[in-house]
Amino acid sequence: GIQVEQSPPDLILQEGANSTLRCNFSDSVNNLQWFHQNPWGQLINLFYIPSGTKQNGRLSATTVATERYSLLYISSSQTTDSGVYFCAVYSGGYQKVTFGTGTKLQVIP
Amino acid sequence: EAGVAQSPRYKIIEKRQSVAFWCNPISGHATLYWYQQILGQGPKLLIQFQNNGVVDDSQLPKDRFSAERLKGVDSTLKIQPAKLEDSAVYLCASSSPRGGKGNAEAFFGQGTRLTVV
Repeated sequence: GIQVEQSPPDLILQEGANSTLRCNFSDSVNNLQWFHQNPWGQLINLFYIPSGTKQNGRLSATTVATERYSLLYISSSQTTDSGVYFCAVYSGGYQKVTFGTGTKLQVIP
Repeated sequence: EAGVAQSPRYKIIEKRQSVAFWCNPISGHATLYWYQQILGQGPKLLIQFQNNGVVDDSQLPKDRFSAERLKGVDSTLKIQPAKLEDSAVYLCASSSPRGGKGNAEAFFGQGTRLTVV
């Protein structure tokens, strides 16, 4: 099956810093989604982005499907950004969703 | 619009007991997923339904896990008998509005945290 790797696995930031999270996938996909899992375990949709760039406030995402990667940018980080960030790829005729390994982010004051 | 509803939120059982989880997807969504998330790992797909038919259950431990989706709406996931390694969060998600209107973006419920002792 398709493999989805994320880097870095762990990241500690000072409040106000910027960061880039990366998601690599091993095969062609129909679509890609970024999630934030908060400390209570809820998966929150950030971006649904098969290609190109999208922005929402301090967050933006870019997917380059032909090169099989996606990037999530967090600018001016806040303590509430802490948690685990997952990318997930959609593949196959029935849109199977496969999750990456996750990046655990801690933003310190 | 109501999101994906799951119950119970928490469950503690002894090994070898049975347990069931319930999921109500977003109204009109054709696809329903059950995931298992072990602490420190990403969610792993257990089973995927398209309407009331199974399209992927390749990672479902069928000797102890079963799932059904009645009338293509609500779904239940059952474990019988439970093992210690089944301790995890069980997440339900739905996507793909019927009729093809809208994209296949998946939305997740809050999950059920299962502890097997």
